[in-house]
Amino acid sequence: AQSVAQPEDQVNVAEGNPLTVKCTYSVSGNPYLFWYVQYPNRGLQFLLKYITGDNLVKGSYGFEAEFNKSQTSFHLKKPSALVSDSALYFCAVRDGPLSGGYNKLIFGAGTRLAVHP
Amino acid sequence: DVKVTQSSRYLVKRTGEKVFLECVQDMDHENMFWYRQDPGLGLRLIYFSYDVKMKEKGDIPEGYSVSREKKERFSLILESASTNQTSMYLCASSLDRGRGYTFGSGTRLTVV
Repeated sequence: AQSVAQPEDQVNVAEGNPLTVKCTYSVSGNPYLFWYVQYPNRGLQFLLKYITGDNLVKGSYGFEAEFNKSQTSFHLKKPSALVSDSALYFCAVRDGPLSGGYNKLIFGAGTRLAVHP
Repeated sequence: DVKVTQSSRYLVKRTGEKVFLECVQDMDHENMFWYRQDPGLGLRLIYFSYDVKMKEKGDIPEGYSVSREKKERFSLILESASTNQTSMYLCASSLDRGRGYTFGSGTRLTVV
C-alpha cells in the first residue's frame, strides 16, 4: 500500500538559517508527491509537487523539494527561514492504480515548523 | 483561482444531533473529498466522490455519510453526532485524480 512518513513531529530553526522538513514515501510505480502548508485555523495550501522531470522542484514562498528515488525521499527545503514560515507542513503521495487505489492523495501526519527570531 | 467554501468555520452541536457540513467549489471539479484532521494523526479521509451521485468510502467512514446531488456541492453528514467526532473537518476538490487538491478553510466542529 502507498504510504508517506514524516519522521519529525516538530522542526525548530532560527530565522535566516536553512530549513529541511523530511518526508519518505512508499509507492508502487512512479510517485506523484506533494507538499502542503497549513497556517493556524486555515485549510491546507499547495506548495509544490513532483510528477516527473528535474529532481529539484521549486514552489511557492521560496520553498523547494528534492526528489531522491534511491532513498524514497522528498524533503522540503528553504535556504533562509522566515518567522512567517512557522506552520504545519504536510507531505502527500498519490495512491495510484497499481496498488488498487483511486488516485487519491495520502497525507503524512504533518510536521510543525517553528522559526525563532 | 479555485475556491472551495465550507459553510461554517466553527460549529457546536449536541450529542445525538444530525449534523450537516456543506462544501461548495466553483471550478467544475469532478473530484471532492472530506477529511478530518486531529493532532498527531494528520489528515484522514472520510469519503470522496468522483462524480455526481457517486461516493466512495475512505479510511474512516463509520458514523458519517455523504451526499453529492450537484457537481459543485459535497455534503458530509454526521447521522448522530458523538463527542469523538469533535475535530477539524476539511473539504477539498481537484480537477483530476493526479493533481493537487484545493482545500477549504475547514470547519472546527465541537460535539458536547
